[in-house]
Amino acid sequence: EVQLVESGGGLVKPGGSLRLSCAASGFTFSSYNMNWVRQAPGKGLEWVSSISSSSSYIYYADSVKGRFTISRDNAKNSLYLQMNSLRAEDTAVYYCARAAARTLTLMDVWGQGTTVTVSS
Amino acid sequence: EIVMTQSPATLSVSPGERATLSCRASQSISSNLAWYQQKPGQAPRLLIYGASTRATGIPARFSGSGSGTEFTLTISSLQSEDFAVYYCHQYNNWPPWTFGQGTKVEIK
Repeated sequence: EVQLVESGGGLVKPGGSLRLSCAASGFTFSSYNMNWVRQAPGKGLEWVSSISSSSSYIYYADSVKGRFTISRDNAKNSLYLQMNSLRAEDTAVYYCARAAARTLTLMDVWGQGTTVTVSS
Repeated sequence: EIVMTQSPATLSVSPGERATLSCRASQSISSNLAWYQQKPGQAPRLLIYGASTRATGIPARFSGSGSGTEFTLTISSLQSEDFAVYYCHQYNNWPPWTFGQGTKVEIK
């Protein structure tokens, strides 16, 4: 079964840091581009960041550029999102999503999400 | 940035009726348009990609159409499990890749 499982969310103070992880199983992780998408409470979906299969190409939304870093470890079938200088507006459910073959951001498999709350 | 605008924000439909959801892009995205369904407390699920191709396991009552800037998702006969929020998403060439604000399909 194809599966993505996020972890690492929690409560953090403004200005703090968190590292999200996404464990992939059931498919050849190293062959797929991956994404992070977030959803603030009661709001819609927002693309956050993308990384190509070999980490050659990385993209960020302007709202997180310079503060978040996406990375992956193909040997561990894992995707990461290092989040620094967190703000209240970063509060959201963060989803890890696989990109369909030969695309970067057509997201065909999603994890269940991990919740990040930024509050003092 | 390509802005995706969905209408209506909320659609009230009776079970068995047809639902038509619209999505407009601020510039042409060819057919690089996907539709997702999201139920409360769940992750989004891919329904349609390439504007009109159903994803694996998606029932035939879901259909998509359009190209360029105007797109439509049609649910031919609403079932109880179809009441949810639907998002369109453009995955055209360059970032940022954007979503519409969502259409909530509720029971009339």
